[in-house]
Amino acid sequence: LAKTTQPISMDSYEGQEVNITCSHNNIATNDYITWYQQFPSQGPRFIIQGYKTKVTNEVASLFIPADRKSSTLSLPRVSLSDTAVYYCLVGEGGNQFYFGTGTSLTVIP
Amino acid sequence: GAVVSQHPSWVICKSGTSVKIECRSLDFQATTMFWYRQFPKQSLMLMATSNEGSKATYEQGVEKDKFLINHASLTLSTLTVTSAHPEDSSFYICSPEARDLAKNIQYFGAGTRLSVL
Repeated sequence: LAKTTQPISMDSYEGQEVNITCSHNNIATNDYITWYQQFPSQGPRFIIQGYKTKVTNEVASLFIPADRKSSTLSLPRVSLSDTAVYYCLVGEGGNQFYFGTGTSLTVIP
Repeated sequence: GAVVSQHPSWVICKSGTSVKIECRSLDFQATTMFWYRQFPKQSLMLMATSNEGSKATYEQGVEKDKFLINHASLTLSTLTVTSAHPEDSSFYICSPEARDLAKNIQYFGAGTRLSVL
């Protein structure tokens, strides 16, 4: 299983774009990269998933370089409600169920 | 799709009692259920994986006799913390595998906060 490494914490001012990078050097060919958001005392919630290049949805973008050894979650114009812990998981199908440390994002007014 | 219901959301119990946590997949069938435990300011730790109709597989260091998992149907799994002690106080989260919906996405229950006095 691919091990992931993320910054422990990040701070950002409201309205700014936030980029959180995850390293996964031993990602396998069939592995997908999935990001989840977790608020205190809640279960994680799916944000975005990708395999390569760039994926965008209504809440975030995910950038994956050609070698796929890292990925960057981009949150445009964050608000206070985006303060949460963000996890990247790497795996295939039912094999991506081991969580790393996550990144605790604090949005400052 | 992929609505997960976990109950109760918060339970307080005396040391030595047993607590049952239910996890239901409301609009899909889950052949596999993952149970996690999360201590304050820490990441989610996988406790066990259960398949419908068979015994659960526990991660290293998780006592199978203490954390009883029953996955009797495709929509319901339960985790029973037996003879709970204060060190079992934690946040427990279930995640049914929605294999038919989105292959690589996990859906999680809202979690159960267990406080053992």
